[in-house]
Amino acid sequence: AQRVTQPEKLLSVFKGAPVELKCNYSYSGSPELFWYVQYSRQRLQLLLRHISRESIKGFTADLNKGETSFHLKKPFAQEEDSAMYYCALSLSGSARQLTFGSGTQLTVLP
Amino acid sequence: GAVVSQHPSWVICKSGTSVKIECRSLDFQATTMFWYRQFPKQSLMLMATSNEGSKATYEQGVEKDKFLINHASLTLSTLTVTSAHPEDSSFYICSATLYTGELFFGEGSRLTVL
Repeated sequence: AQRVTQPEKLLSVFKGAPVELKCNYSYSGSPELFWYVQYSRQRLQLLLRHISRESIKGFTADLNKGETSFHLKKPFAQEEDSAMYYCALSLSGSARQLTFGSGTQLTVLP
Repeated sequence: GAVVSQHPSWVICKSGTSVKIECRSLDFQATTMFWYRQFPKQSLMLMATSNEGSKATYEQGVEKDKFLINHASLTLSTLTVTSAHPEDSSFYICSATLYTGELFFGEGSRLTVL
């Protein structure tokens, strides 16, 4: 069965510092990987997906099949980036049934 | 963007009663909706896939007689927690798939069973 691991429950960085939220997955096939973000008192929303290869709000994530990782990175963190971040995996053709990681609470300090 | 709305946002009920939570896609039709459960400080766990006009598909370990799902229209799916008990207290979240394949989430419904 597929599994998504986010090893850090909490992560604090100072404003302007680089940030990396780790995500590893286990699945023998070719999954789709996503990062979702949940700001305080708001609903979960899509941040980015690996097939798009785009940068959203300065965040990027590269799928590394060799290391089965999909780490989320931003070179200069901002206070408004403070939120809960979930890495998620979808099996190809599964109509978006997602397996979520446990989430990482990012706090960007002033 | 597309909006998914859940109602109620929070509900408190007595043990043994049943509670219905609605999930609506406000400005799009969703043939497939998903129901998740989230315990405090834990991740979202997929409970079931709700398919319009057919029976829901439940994940392993989820009691289908306990968590009744009905997807009677392209914009509404309901989750009914039957004979609720304190251990059913949780945050229930639904999501719906837009035709593009993108997933949109509801704001969640917090259930507290006394």
